[in-house]
Amino acid sequence: KAGVTQTPRYLIKTRGQQVTLSCSPISGHRSVSWYQQTPGQGLQFLFEYFSETQRNKGNFPGRFSGRQFSNSRSEMNVSTLELGDSALYLCASSLGTEQYFGPGTRLTVT
Amino acid sequence: GQQLNQSPQSMFIQEGEDVSMNCTSSSIFNTWLWYKQDPGEGPVLLIALYKAGELTSNGRLTAQFGITRKDSFLNISASIPSDVGIYFCAGQYYYGSSNTGKLIFGQGTTLQVKP
Repeated sequence: KAGVTQTPRYLIKTRGQQVTLSCSPISGHRSVSWYQQTPGQGLQFLFEYFSETQRNKGNFPGRFSGRQFSNSRSEMNVSTLELGDSALYLCASSLGTEQYFGPGTRLTVT
Repeated sequence: GQQLNQSPQSMFIQEGEDVSMNCTSSSIFNTWLWYKQDPGEGPVLLIALYKAGELTSNGRLTAQFGITRKDSFLNISASIPSDVGIYFCAGQYYYGSSNTGKLIFGQGTTLQVKP
């Protein structure tokens, strides 16, 4: 079974721009969660989607948003990028309790 | 952001030695998970623990869910060079009737193994 895939793997954007990241979960998994990983803050939960509905949300500003499609694929969007948004963005899919992570998208904001 | 207290922060050991790391929290969790992350990759699930007191092994790895549900430890026996990486603990809450929810992570333990 193929694992979680994320595209793109690397991205460089300029302050003020917006970005969309994509995540394809493991086949059959209906829950997708997003996390931000930085050296200073570690791994922080952004939000979780299940059956196209946001089920949980972390403590991030409204510039961070997401959505899930009927095939369980998910996207997250960050608008008005700031330098501090530079991070590894990870998505994880799950069927039940255990969450399986993708390789991440490395976003650099200049 | 919310984090668990994971220790030690880093370890440098000789190949063949055993390793132990732990996580503590002020909150109770329903599930404890342990992950390993290699540079440039996402975390890989090593062990999942579901019940207080549960002791689970996966090869040379053994993990336990603390009785108070506020802590967990991971042991690696007879370390080898490929054990190098960053190990994270994660606690999980359940929401309503669902078995999924957000993960709260520890700061990570960086393991280096000298051949």
